This record gives sequence, structure tokens and C-alpha cells, in this order.
Amino acid sequence: GAVVSQHPSRVICKSGTSVKIECRSLDFQATTMFWYRQFPKQSLMLMATSNEGSKATYEQGVEKDKFLINHASLTLSTLTVTSAHPEDSSFYICSARIRDTEAFFGQGTRLTVV
Amino acid sequence: SQKIEQNSEALNIQEGKTATLTCNYTNYSPAYLQWYRQDPGRGPVFLLLIRENEKEKRKERLKVTFDTTLKQSLFHITASQPADSATYLCALGSGYSTLTFGKGTMLLVSP
Repeated sequence: GAVVSQHPSRVICKSGTSVKIECRSLDFQATTMFWYRQFPKQSLMLMATSNEGSKATYEQGVEKDKFLINHASLTLSTLTVTSAHPEDSSFYICSARIRDTEAFFGQGTRLTVV
Repeated sequence: SQKIEQNSEALNIQEGKTATLTCNYTNYSPAYLQWYRQDPGRGPVFLLLIRENEKEKRKERLKVTFDTTLKQSLFHITASQPADSATYLCALGSGYSTLTFGKGTMLLVSP
């Protein structure tokens, strides 16, 4: 199957700093990528849909100024958590789909804000 | 609003038995349903997709059923192994829409 690579897998940052998470589709072109957030024992919560060459579409309740998404190419989308706070600590996962078939997920990024 | 329910309690079974996980949904008519496996600290991995016009789908030891009247999908793992222990997520979708995921059910297979 298709491969989606996400980096870093773990990151610890200080409150007030920004963190960038990268999501790459390695063997296919992804015009659309999705960013999720997952709390322990909870479902994947869609944060935003990232479209190559255009602005991301954010879900209700997700602060677009805090979670900056850039999809500069067909193989790379980035999520930047700006001015991070401890409540932003979570597991962030990106995914890409080919048509209406399965979603391919990255490995996930465990963000801890101290 | 759409609602997906999966057994919140962990399912504990013995090695060699068949594990059956349930996914129920309301307020939605999905064109397809998907099942994913998620290991701790990892992203989900796709297992099976079943469309609304399909009753059953199989892949090796996995079997999925889809009953659009009951609004329910059953996910079976036959001859379960300890390596099958993970959290299993169901997801619903239509066309190119974003997938809606359930919370998942943790499966624990004891040797």
C-alpha cells in the first residue's frame, strides 16, 4: 500500500514555542491530506483538510491561527502548532487518501508541551 | 448528527477463538465502511473496506459484514493470535468525503 511518512514521532517543547510536524506521501501524490488529533482512548478527531495549493479547511472549533497548515506540494503537508500550551499536548496524525478508498496514515506525532 | 458506537470495553479472548467486534451507527447512510487497526502510539492501518451493496467481505482470517438495515457492521478475526491484540477502529464515509471514525475497541488475545 501507499506510504505516508510523518515526522517527528515525538517532540517535547516549552510553552510558548512553536512546533512543526511534517507529513509526506512517499510513493503517490496526495492532493488532499487530513490532520487528526487523538486523545487517549478517544476517537480520531479531524482538525483540518489540507489541499495542495490552497488554504486548509478547518473543522469547527479548531483555531486556524494556532494550527497552521501548509500544503506546498503534492507530497508534503505541514502542521505548525504555534505558541504551544500544555493543553495542546496530544497525538497528532496525518493521513492521505486515493479516491474513496482507504486512508493511509502517518506514524503519528506525540507532542508534549511543558 | 452522525454517531458511531463501538464497544468501549476491551474484548478479552483466548488464542484460537474468534473475536467479534461491533460497529453501530446512527443518523448516517454511508456508502462504505472501513476497519482499521491501531497499535499504541502508532497511526491506524487499513484492514478492510466494504461497500453498502456488499453483505460480506473476507481477507485471510478477517471477515466483515455490513447490514445497512440494522446500521451495523461486524468484524471477525478467526483463529485469533496474541499478535492480533490492538485497538480496532471502524470508519464511515461516502464518496470523497472525510471519514468519520468510531472510538475503537481494544482487543486482547491471551495465549
